[in-house]
Amino acid sequence: GQNIDQPTEMTATEGAIVQINCTYQTSGFNGLFWYQQHAGEAPTFLSYNVLDGLEEKGRFSSFLSRSKGYSYLLLKELQMKDSASYLCAVRDSNYQLIWGAGTKLIIKP
Amino acid sequence: IAGITQAPTSQILAAGRRMTLRCTQDMRHNAMYWYRQDLGLGLRLIHYSNTAGTTGKGEVPDGYSVSRANTDDFPLTLASAVPSQTSVYFCASSDSTSGNNEQFFGPGTRLTVL
Repeated sequence: GQNIDQPTEMTATEGAIVQINCTYQTSGFNGLFWYQQHAGEAPTFLSYNVLDGLEEKGRFSSFLSRSKGYSYLLLKELQMKDSASYLCAVRDSNYQLIWGAGTKLIIKP
Repeated sequence: IAGITQAPTSQILAAGRRMTLRCTQDMRHNAMYWYRQDLGLGLRLIHYSNTAGTTGKGEVPDGYSVSRANTDDFPLTLASAVPSQTSVYFCASSDSTSGNNEQFFGPGTRLTVL
């Protein structure tokens, strides 16, 4: 079966750094996505990794290791507006996205 | 304004009733998708369409049907609603010819079946 695992909930402090991990087992791999979803809103695209390594985009970075079936999203200089759920998704061999349940990130002042 | 819209925003429906959720995008994306999102679960694909005139079944298609008569519209129909179809429904679209083929999501429809 296909499986995406990420922690259910994490808490961090404003101004700090947090790393959200994602491990996956899928039938095929054609890229990994991270999305942000604020409560009651639609998911919005954050990052995409298809090759191993780190992709940096402002305060957010995403890392991929295909051999380990592992990715993480790194958020730096946390702001209160970063309180949201972060969704990991893998594009499988059928080019469909398989989604994790999401990690709810709570930022405390 | 470019984007993807869904209607209605929310709906309470009696079990056994027929319901169509509407989705329209103006980005000329070739691919469109319907997902449902339930607490504690990841987004689950119901149906998809890679191009106008074609549709395919996702992970949880039973009880749902779709059509794709043109590029912009992708309605989702529940023929006879059941309480287990209570969920938040998201429509999404993507341009499979571009870069990473990221999906853009509509604002969602919150459906309650009683």
